[in-house]
Amino acid sequence: KAGVTQTPRYLIKTRGQQVTLSCSPISGHRSVSWYQQTPGQGLQFLFEYFSETQRNKGNFPGRFSGRQFSNSRSEMNVSTLELGDSALYLCASSLGTGGRYGYTFGSGTRLTVV
Amino acid sequence: AQKVTQAQTEISVVEKEDVTLDCVYETRDTTYYLFWYKQPPSGELVFLIRRNSFDEQNEISGRYSWNFQKSTSSFNFTITASQVVDSAVYFCALSEGNYQLIWGAGTKLIIKP
Repeated sequence: KAGVTQTPRYLIKTRGQQVTLSCSPISGHRSVSWYQQTPGQGLQFLFEYFSETQRNKGNFPGRFSGRQFSNSRSEMNVSTLELGDSALYLCASSLGTGGRYGYTFGSGTRLTVV
Repeated sequence: AQKVTQAQTEISVVEKEDVTLDCVYETRDTTYYLFWYKQPPSGELVFLIRRNSFDEQNEISGRYSWNFQKSTSSFNFTITASQVVDSAVYFCALSEGNYQLIWGAGTKLIIKP
């Protein structure tokens, strides 16, 4: 059974640019959540999608957005990048919404903004 | 409010020592779920265990064991005979219903050869 696939693994972008990250969940998992991880702030929840609908949202500015497709694959987009957006972005898939089923995480996308 | 506290920021032990990682949680719900995840240097978070609030039985899996005590709101994790490969950051997390996981700050475990 294939795991959660995140692409790309590494990205370097310039301030002001935008970026799109992709996540393919485990087959059969309909929930996809996104997290930002930085040394100073730890793991911070961005948003969760289930059946193409955003079900939960964290406390991030509108520059951070996401979507989910009918095959459960998800993308997140960050516009007008800032230096502080440099982080490891983790995608997690789950059987249902919320965290009670536990997550399977991808390897993450490490974004560096210069 | 829900909260997860991992008071140990970093632990360093010599290989083959036993080590316990502490996790204390706060919740008002009677139904909740607790988790432990491991994050090795590669970055991927690896699921270790899920425990629901109605199951206070301790769990043992090889060298890993978990002690869940509702009376003290703790869900501690012990590694017996630690190995260098156990070096990682370990996260404890709490879930109530459809809400997102509440994560602890993590404990960095260093196993020295």
